[in-house]
Amino acid sequence: SQTIHQWPATLVQPVGSPLSLECTVEGTSNPNLYWYRQAAGRGLQLLFYSVGIGQISSEVPQNLSASRPQDRQFILSSKKLLLSDSGFYLCAWSPTSAKETQYFGPGTRLLVL
Amino acid sequence: GQNIDQPTEMTATEGAIVQINCTYQTSGFNGLFWYQQHAGEAPTFLSYNVLDGLEEKGRFSSFLSRSKGYSYLLLKELQMKDSASYLCAVGSYGQNFVFGPGTRLSVLP
Repeated sequence: SQTIHQWPATLVQPVGSPLSLECTVEGTSNPNLYWYRQAAGRGLQLLFYSVGIGQISSEVPQNLSASRPQDRQFILSSKKLLLSDSGFYLCAWSPTSAKETQYFGPGTRLLVL
Repeated sequence: GQNIDQPTEMTATEGAIVQINCTYQTSGFNGLFWYQQHAGEAPTFLSYNVLDGLEEKGRFSSFLSRSKGYSYLLLKELQMKDSASYLCAVGSYGQNFVFGPGTRLSVLP
């Protein structure tokens, strides 16, 4: 069966510091991978998605970036965090055969102070 | 583009039935998905409709009318643990999922 992992679970970072969040998927090959952000009490905002190694598409302009160095690894990064980057970051995967159901990881709660 | 609407909040009583509506506008419709999200947790998949009609899964059912751009999630025999946000999401050919704003359901004793 497929599983998706994210770490860390919680992170408190000062403004201006760098960020690296990692997501890995097990039990499947060549998945579509996604990064979402959810601000407190708000809906899910798609940040990045990837259909393959090294292929990243950005949905919104921001100071975040994403990379996919391996088939089942997706990394979200920032060189300098802003206060507005605080939120709940969720990684998700879906099969490549179609844009079907997305399955979410446990999420990382980021607080920028 | 895509546009999805859901009620912001709903309240219901334990043991009752509640219907959460979702309306959408999209081109190239490829499916409608419902997710449950408890506070502080990740969304979990509940149901998927691609054809018109009702899909039943235990206490949860989901209905779709493609011609009307309308779906609902029906929760029967409500339990306290059903208190959560319910997210409607639409998939379209050539585009990614778009999630609705979510409906926060509170189940009262």
